[in-house]
Amino acid sequence: GEEVAQTPKHLVRGEGQKAKLYCAPIKGHSYVFWYQQVLKNEFKFLISFQNENVFDETGMPKERFSAKCLPNSPCSLEIQATKLEDSAVYFCASSQPDRTWQYFGPGTRLTVL
Amino acid sequence: QKEVEQNSGPLSVPEGAIASLNCTYSDRVSQSFFWYRQYSGKSPELIMSIYSNGDKEDGRFTAQLNKASQYVSLLIRDSQPSDSATYLCAVLRSSASKIIFGSGTRLSIRP
Repeated sequence: GEEVAQTPKHLVRGEGQKAKLYCAPIKGHSYVFWYQQVLKNEFKFLISFQNENVFDETGMPKERFSAKCLPNSPCSLEIQATKLEDSAVYFCASSQPDRTWQYFGPGTRLTVL
Repeated sequence: QKEVEQNSGPLSVPEGAIASLNCTYSDRVSQSFFWYRQYSGKSPELIMSIYSNGDKEDGRFTAQLNKASQYVSLLIRDSQPSDSATYLCAVLRSSASKIIFGSGTRLSIRP
């Protein structure tokens, strides 16, 4: 597609429950990035993929967060045992290999109660 | 010190005037610089990219880069109420690397 697609738009979970977010990058884009935006516009990088391979995972809280990009499937970001502080908007972005700019999806708003 | 610093604002500018947004960055090896616009509740939208020293103009927008001073700015001419948004300065070390965002400057254009 011509846009980065993210589902669901909103997700509500009780503390301790699992949350799974999905991202379909723009067709032809081989890089996928996940960012977390909490209050006051603070963006935090989580992880990036080059096709199905992890490219940079320096931002991932490894204890509870995991992510995958499998061939012919949307990429996913999964949070096991969610905590209140996981409440945020999670943005996925994609880019072409020879381009520096990243196109952002509409985001998934996760609310942990 | 944050890697990318912006004044959080709000910056209030009368309609038709020039809005000037500023950003400094700390990593000297950064290669690519971007301005994203984010409306409340929406995703960031790329409005300008700049890679070399000097000015780059696109319509009402002009991006300025000074690598020696580690400074990036965005000028918006003939400001419109629709320009009211948060503007995020973003820095990239190299292609395919993670974006480092500033915390954003909230711009308000008053009619």
